[in-house]
Amino acid sequence: GQQLNQSPQSMFIQEGEDVSMNCTSSSIFNTWLWYKQDPGEGPVLLIALYKAGELTSNGRLTAQFGITRKDSFLNISASIPSDVGIYFCAGQIGGTGNQFYFGTGTSLTVIP
Amino acid sequence: DAGVIQSPRHEVTEMGQEVTLRCKPISGHNSLFWYRQTMMRGLELLIYFNNNVPIDDSGMPEDRFSAKMPNASFSTLKIQPSEPRDSAVYFCASSPPGRVRTDTQYFGPGTRLTVL
Repeated sequence: GQQLNQSPQSMFIQEGEDVSMNCTSSSIFNTWLWYKQDPGEGPVLLIALYKAGELTSNGRLTAQFGITRKDSFLNISASIPSDVGIYFCAGQIGGTGNQFYFGTGTSLTVIP
Repeated sequence: DAGVIQSPRHEVTEMGQEVTLRCKPISGHNSLFWYRQTMMRGLELLIYFNNNVPIDDSGMPEDRFSAKMPNASFSTLKIQPSEPRDSAVYFCASSPPGRVRTDTQYFGPGTRLTVL
């Protein structure tokens, strides 16, 4: 199936630091999504991006839809302990709900 | 709202046994999705239903896997016979009426399956 390359695989940072992670694909996507998964829970949508070049913020989170439509990044500013979790990107091809793919996730650890 | 409800939360079984996972979608949602999550392959869509009808089951690994949605408030994912490689976390998600889109999906807490 489609491969979404998400990096880094894991991150260990000090509280207060900024975080950046990205996702790339060999295919063009029409939608990019970023999710967060807490231990023992399902993924929760953080940000959805629908147009190339779109930059969207949700509190301390900012995500961008790459101009080439083959990549996206997520930034977290001034990290706090509750930011700990696994962050997933997801890309959707076309307009139907079944043609989308998830990255393998970035595990974030915030050290107080 | 209670959100998507999945049961059991944890299941440990022996190879060859039948396993049934259950999902109750959010009331009013008419699309339901089953996913499998593993370290190696990440999150994979297995099958999704729209108005209780299976729309795309191309992600179902093999004939040992089957899913049903007898009504709008209940779905099952069955594995028979189970194998150790089926060990994973299985998520159910639902989304409201309208064009089926990933960004309107709400995930359940998942069922962690271990096949010994």
